Amino acid sequence: ELKVEQNPLFLSMQEGKNYTIYCNYSTTSDRLYWYRQDPGKSLESLFVLLSNGAVKQEGRLMASLDTKARLSTLHITAAVHDLSATYFCAVDGGSQGNLIFGKGTKLSVKP
Amino acid sequence: DTEVTQTPKHLVMGMTNKKSLKCEQHMGHRAMYWYKQKAKKPPELMFVYSYEKLSINESVPSRFSPECPNSSLLNLHLHALQPEDSALYLCASSLRGGRGALSYEQYFGPGTRLTVT
Repeated sequence: ELKVEQNPLFLSMQEGKNYTIYCNYSTTSDRLYWYRQDPGKSLESLFVLLSNGAVKQEGRLMASLDTKARLSTLHITAAVHDLSATYFCAVDGGSQGNLIFGKGTKLSVKP
Repeated sequence: DTEVTQTPKHLVMGMTNKKSLKCEQHMGHRAMYWYKQKAKKPPELMFVYSYEKLSINESVPSRFSPECPNSSLLNLHLHALQPEDSALYLCASSLRGGRGALSYEQYFGPGTRLTVT
């Protein structure tokens, strides 16, 4: 059974600090996705990581993928309040393109 | 047009009602998905349509009935729901549902917040 594990599940940060969210998965998938979800809202695609060693950056967020370790990281640099949200990683669930999501990391950035 | 639209945004229905959720995209995507998301949980896949054919049904109760009339439109018909079916229902689409470099990137609609009373 495919499993996707994120940690931490809850993260309270101070503004200006750095932190990393980890996503481990149990298959040999070489594609991984990061989404952001604000309370009561839908999912917003942040990053699509398509190969081993892929690194993508957008603003204060940087995502990387190590397919050999089956690990992706989402690094937050100099956090600001606007980054407060729940972040999900997801991997391919099979040939039909369905996604399997991690449980999500609820990030709260405090002044 | 890079958006997936869903209607209605909110729906309150009784357990004996019949209602439908609608999802539409005009990005030329050939795979469309229904997910159910309970509060503080990740989305759970319900159905996948690939080229207008149902390709995955994740053991969803028959009170949920999907329909894909054409490549741009996806419906979810609801009948005799239970209070535990209250959730956010998300529709998503992707370029296609098979193997391919970008075929799995899914674009999500805003969701329908469903309350069953």
